[in-house]
Amino acid sequence: ETGVTQTPRHLVMGMTNKKSLKCEQHLGHNAMYWYKQSAKKPLELMFVYSLEERVENNSVPSRFSPECPNSSHLFLHLHTLQPEDSALYLCASSPLGAGAQNGYTFGSGTRLTVV
Amino acid sequence: AQSVAQPEDQVNVAEGNPLTVKCTYSVSGNPYLFWYVQYPNRGLQFLLKYITGDNLVKGSYGFEAEFNKSQTSFHLKKPSALVSDSALYFCAVTYSGGYQKVTFGTGTKLQVIP
Repeated sequence: ETGVTQTPRHLVMGMTNKKSLKCEQHLGHNAMYWYKQSAKKPLELMFVYSLEERVENNSVPSRFSPECPNSSHLFLHLHTLQPEDSALYLCASSPLGAGAQNGYTFGSGTRLTVV
Repeated sequence: AQSVAQPEDQVNVAEGNPLTVKCTYSVSGNPYLFWYVQYPNRGLQFLLKYITGDNLVKGSYGFEAEFNKSQTSFHLKKPSALVSDSALYFCAVTYSGGYQKVTFGTGTKLQVIP
């Protein structure tokens, strides 16, 4: 257990469904991230939250909607996804600024399959 | 824009032999470099980092990496591979002050053969 917990671990959803991924950390970190991991591609940074404010949105389609209600929780709301959105979605956290030099802490991921 | 290249999709090495996983990078300014490891059904786990100082950095599980500024490389090494080292390895880069903007490579699968 890394201190970053993601639920669910596996999710199968239809293209018309709405679902949410959850990430929780109690490491005292103030930055949280969503990454998408697809086979043979670099990890894609989707969203960055710093002190609960979104500071980075890397041209992610609007069918992905993040929410950060407090510094310990991060959600990724999903709706009308496409089969190419099937991937492993990773949440990570870190301290802000120079504290992130010690690396990010990742959760185990949610394996999403869109059918 | 910053980028990371991991030229090998897979590296095979016999147990007990030395291993090298290659990484080259491109970034404006002073690079901050990282290696992460991912075991099956797990997230990425931090292994080691280069921020400044000695070009040879040591990390977890006996791994080390050598920063080479002229070749813009940061290869991961271990003197003697273990079967349990078999996993997916990611190189990552950012720059001084860019702590929330880390770019990862595509990953290299390391297979240690008994």
